[in-house]
Amino acid sequence: ENALTQSPVSLSVSPGETVTLSCRAPESVYGNFLAWYQQKPGQAPRLLIYAASNRATGTPDRFSGSGSGTDFTLTISTLEPEDFAIYFCQQYGSSPWTFGQGTKVEIK
Amino acid sequence: QVQLQESGPGLVNPSETLSLTCTVSGGSISKSYWSWVRQPAGERPEWLGRIYSSGSTTYNPSLKSRITMSVDMSKNQFSLRLKSVTDADTAVYYCVRVRGYGGSPYYYGLDVWGPGTTVTVSS
Repeated sequence: ENALTQSPVSLSVSPGETVTLSCRAPESVYGNFLAWYQQKPGQAPRLLIYAASNRATGTPDRFSGSGSGTDFTLTISTLEPEDFAIYFCQQYGSSPWTFGQGTKVEIK
Repeated sequence: QVQLQESGPGLVNPSETLSLTCTVSGGSISKSYWSWVRQPAGERPEWLGRIYSSGSTTYNPSLKSRITMSVDMSKNQFSLRLKSVTDADTAVYYCVRVRGYGGSPYYYGLDVWGPGTTVTVSS
């Protein structure tokens, strides 16, 4: 399986800052079918980005995804208070679909 | 818009079978893929498998022969059965829509999630 590794595991930032989250795969993700999800405590994950760089319906434009092959990035510009959460990447290019271990974005 | 809701027992005895149903509202279950994802407390989500509305399935090999998914078009529902459960199967279970586009049946990924249901395996 194409196991995903996210970094950093956690980071503390202040509102208004910009953060960059990384997701790496040992094998190329077929079709760049790589998604990013946001999860808040007690809630289901919410799709933010699909196919590496496309914002899902309702995703604010301060969220942007980039990358291809084995290296992908989620950038959150000008962090808002509601953006503090855990972010997971997930590949759906090959079975079994797999998730990264998550990056927790905390308020400094 | 499509909404999903999981239902089923919250407590399952070890070695028995976990059974969950997902009810789809606001849209038809036909011509789409549907998935189950679970997430133990404090861990990453784990994709369990997917089923097409025709009944065709793909499962995560980690679950070997314990898993079965099915669709009931008449009720607009799909279901999960996981047999021989242990405490490692304790998790929040989510049912999820897989949305496709054009020639790619999974293009948008896991785009609509149910709220999740907690299943505890314990005697």
